[in-house]
Amino acid sequence: AQSVTQLDSQVPVFEEAPVELRCNYSSSVSVYLFWYVQYPNQGLQLLLKYLSGSTLVKGINGFEAEFNKSQTSFHLRKPSVHISDTAEYFCAVGGGGSNYKLTFGKGTLLTVNP
Amino acid sequence: DTEVTQTPKHLVMGMTNKKSLKCEQHMGHRAMYWYKQKAKKPPELMFVYSYEKLSINESVPSRFSPECPNSSLLNLHLHALQPEDSALYLCASSQDRTSGGVYETQYFGPGTRLLVL
Repeated sequence: AQSVTQLDSQVPVFEEAPVELRCNYSSSVSVYLFWYVQYPNQGLQLLLKYLSGSTLVKGINGFEAEFNKSQTSFHLRKPSVHISDTAEYFCAVGGGGSNYKLTFGKGTLLTVNP
Repeated sequence: DTEVTQTPKHLVMGMTNKKSLKCEQHMGHRAMYWYKQKAKKPPELMFVYSYEKLSINESVPSRFSPECPNSSLLNLHLHALQPEDSALYLCASSQDRTSGGVYETQYFGPGTRLLVL
């Protein structure tokens, strides 16, 4: 079985500050890791993914994440946030014996204040 | 192009109505998904179609009836819904390779916001 823990349900930051959204996972087999963003009243948009290879993954809108197998983490970072980054961010894990199932974390609401 | 489209964007229906949600993708993906998302919660998987055949049904009540008429289209037929079924319904698609151990990225549509009165 797989699980995903997003440690912070809400993260408020000021514009142009750096941000880190934390994600830890548990799985007994190889996993594939994803960050999705959901803007208000919209669907989910893929930010970035780790399938294999380099553990530092760069995504859209200046976001990046680092896969750390020993700490079972996949934290999302951005060096300088904008007001437009205000959204819900979901960490998800796939694989683990199913080619179809995605296990989502509960989400982190990032609020960027002026 | 990684676009999944869904219609309608909003839907209001009574508990005795019959309605359908539609999803379309032209990425050549052969796996398509329906998710339900309640407010402030992550998406919950409902159904998965693989090569137009139902592959996964996550014990969804029969008042939800999925249909995959071809490789680009996915429908969700709704009948006799309850107010607690009000939610955002998301469609997603992914590649579907026959070889095991390969996980394909899911791409989501914008969703249909459903209100059951």
